[in-house]
Amino acid sequence: AQTVTQSQPEMSVQEAETVTLSCTYDTSESDYYLFWYKQPPSRQMILVIRQEAYKQQNATENRFSVNFQKAAKSFSLKISDSQLGDAAMYFCAYRRANNDMRFGAGTRLTVKP
Amino acid sequence: GAVVSQHPSRVICKSGTSVKIECRSLDFQATTMFWYRQFPKQSLMLMATSNEGSKATYEQGVEKDKFLINHASLTLSTLTVTSAHPEDSSFYICSARILNTEAFFGQGTRLTVV
Repeated sequence: AQTVTQSQPEMSVQEAETVTLSCTYDTSESDYYLFWYKQPPSRQMILVIRQEAYKQQNATENRFSVNFQKAAKSFSLKISDSQLGDAAMYFCAYRRANNDMRFGAGTRLTVKP
Repeated sequence: GAVVSQHPSRVICKSGTSVKIECRSLDFQATTMFWYRQFPKQSLMLMATSNEGSKATYEQGVEKDKFLINHASLTLSTLTVTSAHPEDSSFYICSARILNTEAFFGQGTRLTVV
């Protein structure tokens, strides 16, 4: 079974600073996808970034980047120049090809002005 | 990105009644739809996977007679909570996907059973 672990229930960052959210996963598959989703108070799930396992290059989306370590099964999210609007729950997720998505427990990010 | 519309966003029902939640993909045809349940301050737990024209696949521990899922077309899946009880109160979220692409999420439905 695939499991996703987020070991940080809560994180806090000062506005304009950088924060890294951790995620590890367990799988025996070689072909899969990893995602970070943001869930603000509205509870709408918003895709932040995705990474295909076959790609060695780390994905980047503006202020958001990942550190994908396939051998270590680690997939951390770095948020640079944090903004107040980044405050939300962040979920790491894993999906095999054509399969359902499994989520970690989530990390609540607070951004201090 | 693609749009998935979930309706209603909030519903309050009496214990013992049934409630239907709709999930529509507005600008694409979804081969697969997923239903999740989320308790307060917890993660999303997959309830079932629904493919158009076939029976839904339920996760272990999810009662299929309690949570009826119908995926009658490539743009619509419904979740019916039958004979609802207060313990069924939760936040329900659907997502839709085309083949091997990313999934898009609906806005969620907050169900309160009184």
